[in-house]
Amino acid sequence: DIQLTQSPSSVSASVGDRVTITCRASQGISTWLAWYQQKPGKAPKLLMYSVSNLQSGVPSRFSGSGSGTEFTLTVNSLQPEDFATYYCQQTNSFPYTFGQGTKLEMK
Amino acid sequence: EVQLVESGGGLVKPGGSLRLSCAGSGFTFSRYTLNWVRQAPGKGLEWVSSISGNSRFINYADSLKGRFTISRDNAKNSLYLEMIGLRDEDTAVYFCARDPRVFGFTEAFDIWGQGTMVTVSS
Repeated sequence: DIQLTQSPSSVSASVGDRVTITCRASQGISTWLAWYQQKPGKAPKLLMYSVSNLQSGVPSRFSGSGSGTEFTLTVNSLQPEDFATYYCQQTNSFPYTFGQGTKLEMK
Repeated sequence: EVQLVESGGGLVKPGGSLRLSCAGSGFTFSRYTLNWVRQAPGKGLEWVSSISGNSRFINYADSLKGRFTISRDNAKNSLYLEMIGLRDEDTAVYFCARDPRVFGFTEAFDIWGQGTMVTVSS
């Protein structure tokens, strides 16, 4: 199985800050990587697919990059609604796997 | 509105069985691959199973094979997850989620239900 390791596991930031979350895959997954945002008690929300394609309706302050085994999600100019937990997911091969999550907290 | 709505969760004793349902609306249900994803309390997301639109292609997380069965009834716009031999560690919120690609490989899950809670406890 392909393991995804996110770093950091948690991060504290302030409104207006720029935050970067990294997702490392245990083997190459080309560009089969997606990012989700989840708020407490809610379903995950798709932010980005195929590494850098912004899902419809997602603000452009979110961006993604990477290929192979290392990927990043960047949030520019953090807004209050961005404080949540973020997950990466690989769909390169079954079983699909998720990273363990990165909790973005308000400083 | 495109949506998925899960139902069927509840409290079940270890070793028991449960059938979850997921009703789709607002899209041509039969065209899309659907998935089950679960999340144990306070934990991360775990993909459970996937079924193609015509039910020809089915995949499971290795640890769940033999205990969980995914199926769908396109005439009823419904997805199912039959779970037997339930264990404490199966306690989780179970989400159904749609793969937006009608053709080609899965890139992500774009539509998620609100989830249904399954609690396995004596």
